[in-house]
Amino acid sequence: LAKTTQPISMDSYEGQEVNITCSHNNIATNDYITWYQQFPSQGPRFIIQGYKTKVTNEVASLFIPADRKSSTLSLPRVSLSDTAVYYCLVGDTGSSYKLIFGSGTRLLVRP
Amino acid sequence: KAGVTQTPRYLIKTRGQQVTLSCSPISGHRSVSWYQQTPGQGLQFLFEYFSETQRNKGNFPGRFSGRQFSNSRSEMNVSTLELGDSALYLCASSSPGDKGYNEQFFGPGTRLTVL
Repeated sequence: LAKTTQPISMDSYEGQEVNITCSHNNIATNDYITWYQQFPSQGPRFIIQGYKTKVTNEVASLFIPADRKSSTLSLPRVSLSDTAVYYCLVGDTGSSYKLIFGSGTRLLVRP
Repeated sequence: KAGVTQTPRYLIKTRGQQVTLSCSPISGHRSVSWYQQTPGQGLQFLFEYFSETQRNKGNFPGRFSGRQFSNSRSEMNVSTLELGDSALYLCASSSPGDKGYNEQFFGPGTRLTVL
């Protein structure tokens, strides 16, 4: 399973766009890139998943360059409620239901 | 659809005791995974069950076990509790999606405190 590296923490202000980058140099051909969000004392929540190029949903965008060795989660116009820990995961989720979580990025959104 | 439910939400035990935690997945989901979350080790995968069979297992001692019933409900058991077993235990359910990947839905967790 590919190891991921992401910043330990980030600070932002309400209304700003936040970009969290994750490095995964050993990503395999069958691996997808998935991001989860976790609030204190709650289970993680799926945000977005992608394989290549760009994926967008109602809450975020995921940018994946051609070499797929990194990915960037983009949160547009963050609010205070986006303060949470964000996890980047890489794995062949098509055949394995085992998620390997790293340390995550603790995002603090200030007013 | 109702989400993943876990019972109990909070539990206090003493060292040496055993504990059983329960998880009811989202209706129609056949895969149930269990995770342990602690401040020191973060979120760690325990095991995954699919159609009553353990399909994946993490690096935890044999004191941690689980099972899944025919209705996909799952239980995990920890025997001979140690202080270090104090953690938030999370259950997640999933089902293969039509986009070729699965999305795991987590429950609220069971907070276990071992005294």
